[in-house]
Order: sequence, then C-alpha cells, then structure tokens
Amino acid sequence: NAGVTQTPKFQVLKTGQSMTLQCAQDMNHNSMYWYRQDPGMGLRLIYYSASEGTTDKGEVPNGYNVSRLNKREFSLRLESAAPSQTSVYFCASSEAGNTEAFFGQGTRLTVV
Amino acid sequence: QQQVKQSPQSLIVQKGGIPIINCAYENTAFDYFPWYQQFPGKGPALLIAIRPDVSEKKEGRFTISFNKSAKQFSLHIMDSQPGDSATYFCGGGATNKLIFGTGTLLAVQP
Repeated sequence: NAGVTQTPKFQVLKTGQSMTLQCAQDMNHNSMYWYRQDPGMGLRLIYYSASEGTTDKGEVPNGYNVSRLNKREFSLRLESAAPSQTSVYFCASSEAGNTEAFFGQGTRLTVV
Repeated sequence: QQQVKQSPQSLIVQKGGIPIINCAYENTAFDYFPWYQQFPGKGPALLIAIRPDVSEKKEGRFTISFNKSAKQFSLHIMDSQPGDSATYFCGGGATNKLIFGTGTLLAVQP
C-alpha cells in the first residue's frame, strides 16, 4: 500500500532551470495539496486541488504552477527556479480538506 | 496573512512532563482542527484531530482542548517520553483546503 508517492526525493537545480515534481496517490482521494516546509515557517500551502479538474492558489503560489493530471496525480512545476525556492516540498492527499491528509516523504530541492 | 498561529516555536521538557502547544485560527470556515507529528526526514502524520462541536478529545496520552469562542485550541501530551521528541503542527481545515501553523519543535529530555 504505497499511499502518497513523490518523485524525485532529492534535486539540485541551477537558477533559471525548470523542473516538475511528481506526486501520485492510490487512495482514491479527491483532494491533493502541495506544501513547502522551511525552518521557522512551518508548512505553507502552495496550491491545492479539491477535485479532478480543479486547482486553486494557496498561501504562497508565486513562481509555481500545478496540473491535476487525473484523480491520482498532481504535479508541481517550477518554470524558472530561484534560490528562494530552496525548500522541502510535500505532497498530500485527503478525501476532503476537513478530513485526514496523508503526506508523501518529501522532495528536498536546492536551487544554486 | 497567517491563518493559523502556533506557539511556542520550540519547547524542552523533562520526561514525564506535560508539554502544551497552542494554536489560534482566524478563518471561521474551518471545521476540522488536526495535530500532525513529524520526525526528521519523514512526512507529517496525523496524531489527533477535533471538530468544533466538542471542547475536548483524548487519544491515549494526547489531548486536544478546543475553545470555539476564543478561536483557540491546544495539544497536551501527558507523561511525555523521549520518543515524543518531534515537530508538531496544528492545522485548520475547511471543505476544500487544509492550512498549517508554523510548527513546534519538542524535545523531551530523559
């Protein structure tokens, strides 16, 4: 039972490069989320998708785009990476925003 | 704008002590208030959660106290153990999204 799977686990980018973080869940959840975790800042919501075909901005969406490819998959794209985007990124899924969310293991991204 | 404010940022207690972590929320649309526990190198995992129709919920050594009128809630850990050393996040959830506080790093000393 995989739960929420994120790839890659680690990534180093140069400033200006682009990349896509992948996330897939096998729990048939409607809602999916992308958070970033920074020291002293907690978990900040970047984007979320309440259902297949919908996406909405969270607390810190600037510099990111997302795609809800289907019910299982929710990807996060950095079009032009900046050092300020160095962080640990977590994908999560839940049946709804007000039910238990399950997290992936995280992607540690460094932008140099 | 921080929708969920959490304090303290860090906390050190002795084994057997009762650490208390506090959160305050602003969004009255929230109807789900979870606490998540995170160990180093791992993703957060649900510890305990409460709905606004009750004032307290206890699961084992973990208790949430909820004050709807003050828009505040707290986590109490009874008889804390070194294995409880982790980062704790409170959250506020509505139908569509889940927002977290800034986290509390708890260290329980043997």
